[in-house]
Amino acid sequence: RKEVEQDPGPFNVPEGATVAFNCTYSNSASQSFFWYRQDCRKEPKLLMSVYSSGNEDGRFTAQLNRASQYISLLIRDSKLSDSATYLCVVNLGEGAQKLVFGQGTRLTINP
Amino acid sequence: NAGVTQTPKFQVLKTGQSMTLQCAQDMNHNSMYWYRQDPGMGLRLIYYSASEGTTDKGEVPNGYNVSRLNKREFSLRLESAAPSQTSVYFCASSEGLAGPRYTQYFGPGTRLLVL
Repeated sequence: RKEVEQDPGPFNVPEGATVAFNCTYSNSASQSFFWYRQDCRKEPKLLMSVYSSGNEDGRFTAQLNRASQYISLLIRDSKLSDSATYLCVVNLGEGAQKLVFGQGTRLTINP
Repeated sequence: NAGVTQTPKFQVLKTGQSMTLQCAQDMNHNSMYWYRQDPGMGLRLIYYSASEGTTDKGEVPNGYNVSRLNKREFSLRLESAAPSQTSVYFCASSEGLAGPRYTQYFGPGTRLLVL
C-alpha cells in the first residue's frame, strides 16, 4: 500500500459546482497534514493545513478522519481559477523528518 | 522577500556530465529539501537537511550529492548525469519539522534534460 494515495482524476466539473477529493494515508501515527495546489509547470504552493477539528478557508474546507485514515478537501462554488492539481501531503509519524506527497488529483473547471 | 530561489531554471546535459543545482532561501528556515517530480510519480524526496550542518537521504538519493553550505543555501550535485535523471527538480524549505512548522515553501523548479 502506498503511504499516501489519491485518486489522480482528472476531475472535470462545471463552474459553480462543488467538488470533493479524498486522500488516504497508511501511517496511523501521522501528525501533520496539508493540501497543496500545483499549477501546470509551476511549483507546489500551500493551500491549507488540515487540523483535527477540520478547518475552512473561504470556499475550501479540509477535514481529517483519523479512524479511517483519510483527509478530504471540499471546494464550493468552484471557479475557473481553481483548475490545478491538488496534492495531499502527510508526515510519516511522530518525529519523522520528512513529508510524503501524494501523486495529486487533477481538477479542471469548465466554463 | 524572494522566498526560495533556484538556479538554473533550465539545463540540458549530456550523459556523464556533472552539474550543481543551487537553492537559497531568505526566510531564515532551518530545514531544506530537494525533490524530483516525474509524470505519474508525484514528488519524491532526494535529500533533506533538517538543520544547518546535517543532511540525510530521502527516498531516491542514488546518483546525487548535497551540500548545506550555510543556513540559507542547499545545493544538489549530479556527478555523472544519466537520462533517468531527466526531471523537474524542486527545492523547498520549512521552519522546522513538526506541526505547522513543517509547512514547506517551494522554489520555482529546475527543468533538467539529460541526453
